[in-house]
Amino acid sequence: EAGVAQSPRYKIIEKRQSVAFWCNPISGHATLYWYQQILGQGPKLLIQFQNNGVVDDSQLPKDRFSAERLKGVDSTLKIQPAKLEDSAVYLCASSMLISRASSFTDTQYFGPGTRLTVL
Amino acid sequence: TQLLEQSPQFLSIQEGENLTVYCNSSSVFSSLQWYRQEPGEGPVLLVTVVTGGEVKKLKRLTFQFGDARKDSSLHITAAQPGDTGLYLCAGPAMNSGGSNYKLTFGKGTLLTVNP
Repeated sequence: EAGVAQSPRYKIIEKRQSVAFWCNPISGHATLYWYQQILGQGPKLLIQFQNNGVVDDSQLPKDRFSAERLKGVDSTLKIQPAKLEDSAVYLCASSMLISRASSFTDTQYFGPGTRLTVL
Repeated sequence: TQLLEQSPQFLSIQEGENLTVYCNSSSVFSSLQWYRQEPGEGPVLLVTVVTGGEVKKLKRLTFQFGDARKDSSLHITAAQPGDTGLYLCAGPAMNSGGSNYKLTFGKGTLLTVNP
């Protein structure tokens, strides 16, 4: 079974530029997540989709970040304009089920991430 | 806000040694997950614990969920270089809007096992 694919793997941009990341989840997975992982920290959820609808974007900086999941499969995450503090690894994950219960037992499968450096 | 604190932050040991890393919170979690993240890769789920006092074993790795469900530990026996990586614990926390449980991660323990 193919894993979660992400591209590009690395991106270097200057502040105020825009950048886009792409994610292809595992086939058949209804739920897709974008996480931001700053160096020395654990992943932080930015946005969660179920099929092509947004379940949770409470931690997405909506003034500069946007994401979409067209046709409920692939997803793109965009930053415009980028700031220095956006330097991080952006991880995409997918899972079969959505778990809104407090007992979180879903298995999330992560892609390799995109390492963004903002100069 | 439910926070997960992991300790130690860094650990460097020799092959064959045993080690324990910890995940603690002041809040009760209904379940906790442990992930391992290797350099340049995404986290991979190792185990989910859901019952207070539960112990799960995965080869040389032993996971324990505290009786009060506020803490968890990961013990590795006879560590090998292949165990090198960032070990993350994660648990469900309600989002700020109260509409969804999301995984909240600790900062992780970076383990290096030297040959």
